[in-house]
Amino acid sequence: DAGITQSPRHKVTETGTPVTLRCHQTENHRYMYWYRQDPGHGLRLIHYSYGVKDTDKGEVSDGYSVSRSKTEDFLLTLESATSSQTSVYFCAIRETGGTDTQYFGPGTRLTVL
Amino acid sequence: GQQVMQIPQYQHVQEGEDFTTYCNSSTTLSNIQWYKQRPGGHPVFLIQLVKSGEVKKQKRLTFQFGEAKKNSSLHITATQTTDVGTYFCAGSIRVTSGTYKYIFGTGTRLKVLA
Repeated sequence: DAGITQSPRHKVTETGTPVTLRCHQTENHRYMYWYRQDPGHGLRLIHYSYGVKDTDKGEVSDGYSVSRSKTEDFLLTLESATSSQTSVYFCAIRETGGTDTQYFGPGTRLTVL
Repeated sequence: GQQVMQIPQYQHVQEGEDFTTYCNSSTTLSNIQWYKQRPGGHPVFLIQLVKSGEVKKQKRLTFQFGEAKKNSSLHITATQTTDVGTYFCAGSIRVTSGTYKYIFGTGTRLKVLA
């Protein structure tokens, strides 16, 4: 699975608290993505990165920020978590120069009470 | 905004029956990918289609990309219980020169009854 790990795997937090999710890759891929998955919505892109310190917004970026200070780590931060951000969060990397395959991490299940 | 619609949302079939899921995009796509997600798991890449009218096969799975590069389908022949899961299409849309983002369809959840 392209050496992608996500931490934590599960988290329960309260409304209004900050939360940071980490995605770590071991294979030096340039492109990294954060998605959220909710019933009836499939996977929706939150933010993506095309290099160190190069990030852009996806379709559901409100309430989220990201940072990528080194190639291997892509952090997703919920500045003040809300119940609507309860979801499963997937990180992905994209290969380039070939099939553009996206490899997904195992996911983080976040519950905001 | 850009959307990728996928139908049906759910499909229950008897083992041995065929299954098809369809994706339709509101905009022309650079390419389209298909993924499978088993219950409790993460999406796993199946295939990518790039060319207009392209057809690719993987054993019992047949993938098609429409002539206008706005729609695609996945057909499974003679389903097996191992085919259970949710199938997603993901359309690639060019953002800037050399940068692309993927818009996922809502997925089709397949159940196979033995």
